[in-house]
Amino acid sequence: QVQLVESGGALVEPGGSLRLSCVVSGIHFAYYYMMWVRQAPGKGLETVAYITTDSNTILYGDSMRGRFTVSRDNAQSSLFLQMDSLRADDTAIYYCATGREAGIADLWGQGTRVTVAS
Amino acid sequence: DIQMTQSPSSLSASEGDTVTITCQASQGIKNYLNWYQKKPGKAPKLLISDASNLRVGVSSRFTGSGSGTHFTLTISSLQPEDFATYYCHQYGSLLYTFGQGTRLELK
Repeated sequence: QVQLVESGGALVEPGGSLRLSCVVSGIHFAYYYMMWVRQAPGKGLETVAYITTDSNTILYGDSMRGRFTVSRDNAQSSLFLQMDSLRADDTAIYYCATGREAGIADLWGQGTRVTVAS
Repeated sequence: DIQMTQSPSSLSASEGDTVTITCQASQGIKNYLNWYQKKPGKAPKLLISDASNLRVGVSSRFTGSGSGTHFTLTISSLQPEDFATYYCHQYGSLLYTFGQGTRLELK
């Protein structure tokens, strides 16, 4: 049974930092690209970050570039998102997602909630 | 990044109706398009990949078509569980991007 379990979401003040984790089981994690996708309250889905199996290609959404860092530990089947200089508009549910075929994300976690507020 | 424009942004329909949602890509993406269904409190559910490939376990009432820059999702004979928000998602070019969503509401 495939599971993606996010954690690390919390209430944080503007300008603060947070590190999200996504632990994956039931698949050979090292063979899968990974993404972080978020949904702000009342808004649509937005790709936050993308990372290839070997971490050689890493891409970020425009508003995250320079503030967020995605990484992975294939030995631990884990994906991470380091979020710095957080802003109110980063408030969202953050999902990790992947799939066997490039771009076709059919495996999702349940999401972790990040709230940026003073 | 490729921009995905969905229309309409919201749609009211009744059970049994057939509805169509359109997605336009700012550049050609061949058939590298997914359709997702999103319900509050739940993770997105992949309905269709490769523009028209119905995923295993998804009702045949969902049909996807298109290629290049213009795509459609048609839902026939609407059922209560179909009222949700739908997103197109391109994977023809990194960074993969979503449309802004179409909220399907019960009339």
